[in-house]
Amino acid sequence: KQEVTQIPAALSVPEGENLVLNCSFTDSAIYNLQWFRQDPGKGLTSLLLIQSSQREQTSGRLNASLDKSSGRSTLYIAASQPGDSATYLCAGYILTGGGNKLTFGTGTQLKVEL
Amino acid sequence: DTGVSQDPRHKITKRGQNVTFRCDPISEHNRLYWYRQTLGQGPEFLTYFQNEAQLEKSRLLSDRFSAERPKGSFSTLEIQRTEQGDSAMYLCASSAWAAGAYEQYFGPGTRLTVT
Repeated sequence: KQEVTQIPAALSVPEGENLVLNCSFTDSAIYNLQWFRQDPGKGLTSLLLIQSSQREQTSGRLNASLDKSSGRSTLYIAASQPGDSATYLCAGYILTGGGNKLTFGTGTQLKVEL
Repeated sequence: DTGVSQDPRHKITKRGQNVTFRCDPISEHNRLYWYRQTLGQGPEFLTYFQNEAQLEKSRLLSDRFSAERPKGSFSTLEIQRTEQGDSAMYLCASSAWAAGAYEQYFGPGTRLTVT
């Protein structure tokens, strides 16, 4: 069974702290991995896509890594801000039907407090 | 281009009614996907189109669900005889080959409430 697990399920940190969100997957068929942000009641905003040939990607204060051999990805957020408060989802790409589909974790709900 | 759009954003319906949602992908994206997200869960894959061809359907897509993409542009998702268990956020995504990948871009979703 394809499964993506995210730990922790919820996290509360003070403003300015650096933090790491974890994502693990059991299916070796996952070839690319993408991190999303979701604000309450909203759609998904793409943060970073890591392709199978890459080990990490960076965008501003965000850095995501991918280790396919261990089935793990991490999202590092530097100098967290209250505006970073949201649910963060990781999702793995799997080939299917001549195309691909995403299989998602259940997310980490982040709250950054003043 | 302003990204993937979905209409309506919210829909409240009574059990047993039919509902239809629309998704307009990013222009020239040949792939289009539908996902469903229930409260506290990650989205789950429903179905996928390449141009106008529906290439895969999840077992989650019961006989009451049908999706179309008639001209390979916008797509519709219809739910017949809605049930309370259909209450969820329905997300649409589109993709095209770029920079070595088919990265999926999501719309704002349609939140369905079945009373």
